[in-house]
Amino acid sequence: EEQLVESGGGLVQPGGSLRLSCAAPGFTFSNFWMIWVRQAPGKGLEWVANINQDGSQKSYLDSVKGRFTISRDNAKNSLYLQMNSLRAEDTAVYYCARDLNYYENRIAYDAFDIWGQGTKVTVSS
Amino acid sequence: AIQMTQSPSSLSASVGDRVTITCRASQGIRNDLGWYQQNPGKAPRLLIYAASSLQSGVPSRFSGSGSGTDFTLTISSLQPEDFATYYCLQDYNYPRTFGQGTKVEIK
Repeated sequence: EEQLVESGGGLVQPGGSLRLSCAAPGFTFSNFWMIWVRQAPGKGLEWVANINQDGSQKSYLDSVKGRFTISRDNAKNSLYLQMNSLRAEDTAVYYCARDLNYYENRIAYDAFDIWGQGTKVTVSS
Repeated sequence: AIQMTQSPSSLSASVGDRVTITCRASQGIRNDLGWYQQNPGKAPRLLIYAASSLQSGVPSRFSGSGSGTDFTLTISSLQPEDFATYYCLQDYNYPRTFGQGTKVEIK
C-alpha cells in the first residue's frame, strides 16, 4: 500500500530544534518530488518546502528560510525536515506529501496525491 | 508571494445542492491551480489539478474551471461525505500559496 508515515514531532522550547521524518514504504520514493505542508491550530494549510527527486532542487516558505532544511535519503525511502531556531508561530501539524508532478503541454503541475497522517509540533516554554 | 482569496469563507448547503467555490489569484497564474478537500483532523485530499483535471478516483460531481486569476470548484450534487473544508493552491511560482479555505456545512 502506498503510504507516508511521519514522526518526530513533539514539544520544544522557543529557539530549539526538531527533525521530522517521513517514511515512504509502498512506492518508488526516488521517482517523486516531495513536500512539507503545515497547519497551525484552527488555521488553514501552509506550504513549507519541497524537494526534487535527487535533492538538488529545494524551495522554502520565506518565513522558514535559513531555519528549516528539507532533505531526503532515497536509499532509506525517507524525507526529512530539520527545524532550527523554532518560534511559537511554527506550532502546527506538519504533513508530508508526494507530488505526482503531472506534465501537460510541457508544463508541470503540482498534484499532492498521498499525504501522511501529520505530526504535531508545539513550540512553547 | 501570490495571494489566493477564496469565497465564500463558509457556506451552508443541503444534500443534493449545487455548490460553487471561487478562488482569485492576486496575479495571473495560467491554469496552475489545484483544489484540496480536508475533513477535521484528517490530511487533505487532492481533487483537481491544473485547474480542471480530475484526480483519479475522485467522483465526477467535482469539477474545476478557470484560468488567469479566477477559478471555480463546483460540486454538482452535494453528498453527505462532501461536508468539509476546501482549499485552492497555486503552483505557478514559489512559495506555493493556499487560499484561506471554504468550509461547507450542513444546512
